[in-house]
Amino acid sequence: EAAVTQSPRSKVAVTGGKVTLSCHQTNNHDYMYWYRQDTGHGLRLIHYSYVADSTEKGDIPDGYKASRPSQENFSLILELASLSQTAVYFCASQGQSQNTLYFGAGTRLSVL
Amino acid sequence: GDSVTQTEGLVTLTKGLPVMLNCTYQTTYSPFLFWYVQHLNEAPKLLLKSSTDNKRTEHQGFYATLHKSSSSFHLQKSSVQLSDSALYFCALSDPYGNEKITFGAGTKLTIKP
Repeated sequence: EAAVTQSPRSKVAVTGGKVTLSCHQTNNHDYMYWYRQDTGHGLRLIHYSYVADSTEKGDIPDGYKASRPSQENFSLILELASLSQTAVYFCASQGQSQNTLYFGAGTRLSVL
Repeated sequence: GDSVTQTEGLVTLTKGLPVMLNCTYQTTYSPFLFWYVQHLNEAPKLLLKSSTDNKRTEHQGFYATLHKSSSSFHLQKSSVQLSDSALYFCALSDPYGNEKITFGAGTKLTIKP
C-alpha cells in the first residue's frame, strides 16, 4: 500500500515562531498536497505540487509556504506562526493518471 | 470556482437503520466525485469514487450514484453498523481525477447501539 509519512505528529509552537512540517512519500507519485483540517471546514487545500522544485497555491495559501526539493519530499512552512494556524495538517500524494489521494497520518499543530 | 456542499454536519442513527449522506456540487466541467471516510484519529481514506453518470458504485456496503443532471453524489447504506461511525467527506476533481481536489465540509456520522 502507498505510504505517506508526516513529521512531527504533533507540535506546539509559539506565536511568531517558524514551523516546518515535513512529508515523505515512497509511492513514486508526482502529485503532493497539503491540506488543513478544522472542525466545520473539512479539508482545505493550502499548497500542492506536480513536480519537484515547483509548487502551486491552493485555496488558502496565505501565511504558508511550500517546498518540494525532491519527488519524495514536500514541506509546509509557517514563517510566522499565528494562533489561527492551530489545526490538523494532512499531507497527501497522488499518482499521475490515478485519482486516489493517499493521506499521511496528520500533524496536530497548536500555536500558543 | 468548484464547490462541494454537504448539508448535514452531524448525523446520529441507531445501528441497523439506513443512512443517506447528501452531497451536491458545482463545477464547470464533468467531474470525478469521491467519498472519503475518516475514522477517529486516523487519516482519510478513499471509500468510493465515480465519474460515470447514473451508474451505482459500491464498496464495503456503501453505495452512491453520480447524477450529473442534479449535480449530486449522495452516499447510502442500507444498514449501518457501529464501525461506520466516522467523518465522511465528499470531494470532486477534474475529469481525470487529478490536480486540485475540492472537499466538502464533512458529515460526522455517529451510530448508537
